[in-house]
Formats: sequence, C-alpha cells, structure tokens
Amino acid sequence: EVQLVESGGGLVQPGGSLRLSCPASGFTFSIYWMTWVRQAPGKGLEWVANIKGDGSEKYYVDSVRGRFTISRDNAKNSLFLQMNGLRAEDTAVYYCARVDYYASGWGTYCPAIDSWGQGTLVTVSS
Amino acid sequence: DIQMTQSPSSLSASVGDRVTITCRASQTVNNYLNWYQQKPGKAPKLLIFGASSLQSGVPSRFSGSGSGTDFTLTISGLQLEDFATYYCHQSYGATTWTFGQGTKVEIK
Repeated sequence: EVQLVESGGGLVQPGGSLRLSCPASGFTFSIYWMTWVRQAPGKGLEWVANIKGDGSEKYYVDSVRGRFTISRDNAKNSLFLQMNGLRAEDTAVYYCARVDYYASGWGTYCPAIDSWGQGTLVTVSS
Repeated sequence: DIQMTQSPSSLSASVGDRVTITCRASQTVNNYLNWYQQKPGKAPKLLIFGASSLQSGVPSRFSGSGSGTDFTLTISGLQLEDFATYYCHQSYGATTWTFGQGTKVEIK
C-alpha cells in the first residue's frame, strides 16, 4: 500500500521559512516523479512543483519559483519542499503526491497524480 | 501557461441524476487531462486519466470524454457518495500543470 505522510507545517511569520517532509513507503520511490499540490482554505487545488525520480528535473509554478525548492532523498525515500520568503498567500494545506504515467491510447502516456498524502497545513501570518 | 476553466462552479442534483461537468483548456492539452474527486477534509482521488480512462476501482458510472481543449466528466446515476468537489487537471508536459477551479456537486 502506498503511504505518503507529510510533516513540517505550522505557523510562520511573513518572510519566514519552513521545510516540509514526506517519507514514502509501499512503492519504489526512486522511479517515480513526485509532486507538491496545495489548497488554500476554502479554495481549489494548485499545483506547486514536480521533481523527476532521479532529481535531475524540477519544475515550479510561477508564484513560488525562486522561493521554494523541491528535493528528494532516494536513499531515505523522502520528498521535501523548502519554502523561503513565505507570504500570506502561501497559506494552504500542502499535499505530497505520487505521479504515475498511464497508457492512454495512441501510444501516449498521461501523467496523473494517483496517490496523495493527508496534507500538512502551512499558515503564514504575523 | 495553460488555463483550465471548469463549469459550472457548483450544481445541485438528486440521487439518480445524470451530471455533466465541463473543462476547457486555453490551448490544446491533447488527451493529457485527468479528473479528481475531493470530499471535505480529504485528499483528492483520481477518477479519470487520459481524458477517458477509468482509474482502477472507480465505479463505471463515472466517465470522461474529449480531447484537445474541451473535456467532459459525466456521472450517470448520481449516488449519495458522489456529492463532492470535482477538479480537472492538465498534465501536458512536465513543466507546468494546472487544475480547474473545481465544481461542487451538492444535494438538491
């Protein structure tokens, strides 16, 4: 069974930093792309960042690029999100999730988020 | 960046109804379109991948269609456990993903 358990959320002042962690189990962590998705209170889902299985490719939503860093430690089966320069608009539940590629016809493979953690709340407020 | 527009933002329906939610992309995403269900206080759950393929374990009353820029999620015969919020998600390329704003399905 795939398990993803986020930790590291909490209350932080504007301009502060937090590091989210997400140990993974139940699958071969190193071969999967992983992603962070966030959800502000009462709002919809927002994709934050992706990282390739070997860590060689990383992508970010424009609003966090340069402030957040996604990383992974495949030896410890763990995903991380270092968040610096936090702003009130970063307040959200942050989900760690696994990406898998699904055969979807015409020889294509569609990436989809197939396993999610329970989320950790980050609150940015003075 | 590719923008995803879902409609409606909310709807009221009864058990047994057929419900249709649409999602439009600002440019083609081919068939790299997924649908998720989210219940209050829970993580989202993958329902449909590749625009029209049903994720394992998802009831067959859920179906997806479309390609390019226009997509549809249909629930044929709404059940009590289907009252939730639904999101489309484009995964065209690894560099920038976006979700639709969500459609809340409420009990009439």
